[in-house]
Amino acid sequence: AQSVTQPDIHITVSEGASLELRCNYSYGATPYLFWYVQSPGQGLQLLLKYFSGDTLVQGIKGFEAEFKRSQSSFNLRKPSVHWSDAAEYFCARKSGSGGYQKVTFGTGTKLQVIP
Amino acid sequence: DVKVTQSSRYLVKRTGEKVFLECVQDMDHENMFWYRQDPGLGLRLIYFSYDVKMKEKGDIPEGYSVSREKKERFSLILESASTNQTSMYLCASRYTGELFFGEGSRLTVL
Repeated sequence: AQSVTQPDIHITVSEGASLELRCNYSYGATPYLFWYVQSPGQGLQLLLKYFSGDTLVQGIKGFEAEFKRSQSSFNLRKPSVHWSDAAEYFCARKSGSGGYQKVTFGTGTKLQVIP
Repeated sequence: DVKVTQSSRYLVKRTGEKVFLECVQDMDHENMFWYRQDPGLGLRLIYFSYDVKMKEKGDIPEGYSVSREKKERFSLILESASTNQTSMYLCASRYTGELFFGEGSRLTVL
């Protein structure tokens, strides 16, 4: 089955430091990939998505992600983390076609930001 | 802005009760989804619907059913709630590939 894996359950970074959250996907010739963020007590919000084209994707809040087919990865990055970035981050992929499309999520990475 | 509204943020029910979780979206989206979120397991798809009265099982449909009588409303039904259904339930609608989520319904089954 097509899936995504987030190997890091929890990450702690200092405010101002750079951030990279890992995501690996399985199968699929052209995966449609997403990163979502969930702040405490909130639903999920889309940060960015990759469907095709340029493999470096820019998103909201200063985030970017790079699609690497050779490594089956879609890692999320931010050059300088702010305390407000503390949240849980989910990588996801779309599978299926037409009306039967569904989105499968990874298990999430919880980000803690320390002063 | 897209608005996905879940009727209850917090519910407490007893084992064996029938539970309805309601979700309404205001953007005429055809596709709607119900996920449950549990620590360490991420989001798991329960059911989805791609049109009125149409539904498809997701990855964990057992113990749940859904109803989509109108395009804007997608209901999740627990016919006989059990303690292992204590969880956060998230509804979403989709447009051009992006999912729009409600704020979630936290259900506790005693």
